[in-house]
Amino acid sequence: GQNIDQPTEMTATEGAIVQINCTYQTSGFNGLFWYQQHAGEAPTFLSYNVLDGLEEKGRFSSFLSRSKGYSYLLLKELQMKDSASYLCAVLDSNYQLIWGAGTKLIIKP
Amino acid sequence: GAVVSQHPSWVICKSGTSVKIECRSLDFQATTMFWYRQFPKQSLMLMATSNEGSKATYEQGVEKDKFLINHASLTLSTLTVTSAHPEDSSFYICSARGTVPQETQYFGPGTRLLVL
Repeated sequence: GQNIDQPTEMTATEGAIVQINCTYQTSGFNGLFWYQQHAGEAPTFLSYNVLDGLEEKGRFSSFLSRSKGYSYLLLKELQMKDSASYLCAVLDSNYQLIWGAGTKLIIKP
Repeated sequence: GAVVSQHPSWVICKSGTSVKIECRSLDFQATTMFWYRQFPKQSLMLMATSNEGSKATYEQGVEKDKFLINHASLTLSTLTVTSAHPEDSSFYICSARGTVPQETQYFGPGTRLLVL
């Protein structure tokens, strides 16, 4: 079966750095997405990785290792507005998007 | 770019009525759109994949006669919840598949449905 694992909840301090991990086992791989979803709102696109390595976009970076079936989202200089759920999703060989359950990130002052 | 709108944002209706939700890609053409449902504090659940000009593909357990999907143009897909019941109350979110980056889904703002 297809499976995406990410921690259910994480807590971090304002101004700090947090890394949200995602491991996956899917039938094929055509890319990995990270989305941010604030409570009561729809998800918004953060990043897309299809090749191994680190993609940096401002305070957010996303890393992919295809051989390990592993990705992480790194958030730097955390702000209170970063409190949200972060969803990992993998595009499988049929170009179906397989969603993780999401990681709820709580930022404390 | 890659803006998706959804209308209405809130619906309150009586049990037994039908509700139509529209999803539009505003600045790009989307041959494929997706309809999701999300209950409070739960994950996104894909209901169906909507393909322009053809029948929608429904996920297992989703009643196609209850959730009617029409993708009449490259920028518009509609979801009609027929004979709505209180258990259909949920957050319905559409997304449109874009090409930059490849296969990225861009989400509409969602529609909250409350069936009394």
